[in-house]
Amino acid sequence: AQSVTQPDIHITVSEGASLELRCNYSYGATPYLFWYVQSPGQGLQLLLKYFSGDTLVQGIKGFEAEFKRSQSSFNLRKPSVHWSDAAEYFCAVARRGGGGNKLTFGTGTQLKVEL
Amino acid sequence: AAGVIQSPRHLIKEKRETATLKCYPIPRHDTVYWYQQGPGQDPQFLISFYEKMQSDKGSIPDRFSAQQFSDYHSELNMSSLELGDSALYFCASSPGSFSSYNEQFFGPGTRLTVL
Repeated sequence: AQSVTQPDIHITVSEGASLELRCNYSYGATPYLFWYVQSPGQGLQLLLKYFSGDTLVQGIKGFEAEFKRSQSSFNLRKPSVHWSDAAEYFCAVARRGGGGNKLTFGTGTQLKVEL
Repeated sequence: AAGVIQSPRHLIKEKRETATLKCYPIPRHDTVYWYQQGPGQDPQFLISFYEKMQSDKGSIPDRFSAQQFSDYHSELNMSSLELGDSALYFCASSPGSFSSYNEQFFGPGTRLTVL
């Protein structure tokens, strides 16, 4: 069965520091890959997605992610974190090939930003 | 731009009661997904509909049922509520074409509390 692993439950960074959130997936074939952000009590906002092509994808709010097939990873990065980035971040996958596009989420990484 | 609308936003019920959650997708989106996010948990896929037919089913209890209506809105009916049903319930919608992936847009969620 497919699974998504986010090894870091909590991460704390200082404002202005760089950020990397890890995501590994276990799948029969490379799935569609996503990063979502959720602020407290809010819905899920899509930051970026990878379907194919360039393995470095750019998203909103200055985030980027790199797909590494050999490591089954899709890590999220930001060069300089802002206090407003404090939120929970979910990596998610969807199976290729149609017939059902449900998202499978990782357990999330809670980001705290110190001023 | 129009977004996914969920109602109610908050709902408090007693054990063994029934609840109905509603989801209004983005105009011209014909696919609806339901997810359940327990406290401190990642969202879990419940069920999806494409063109008013159930398209996929996840870990949805038998006490829950859902349908998509002719105007594409969807309702999630939950009976014999249990304390463990307390969660944030998300609806997401996407445009058609089930043969390829289409981005899911999430609503703000309905927070259900079972007392």
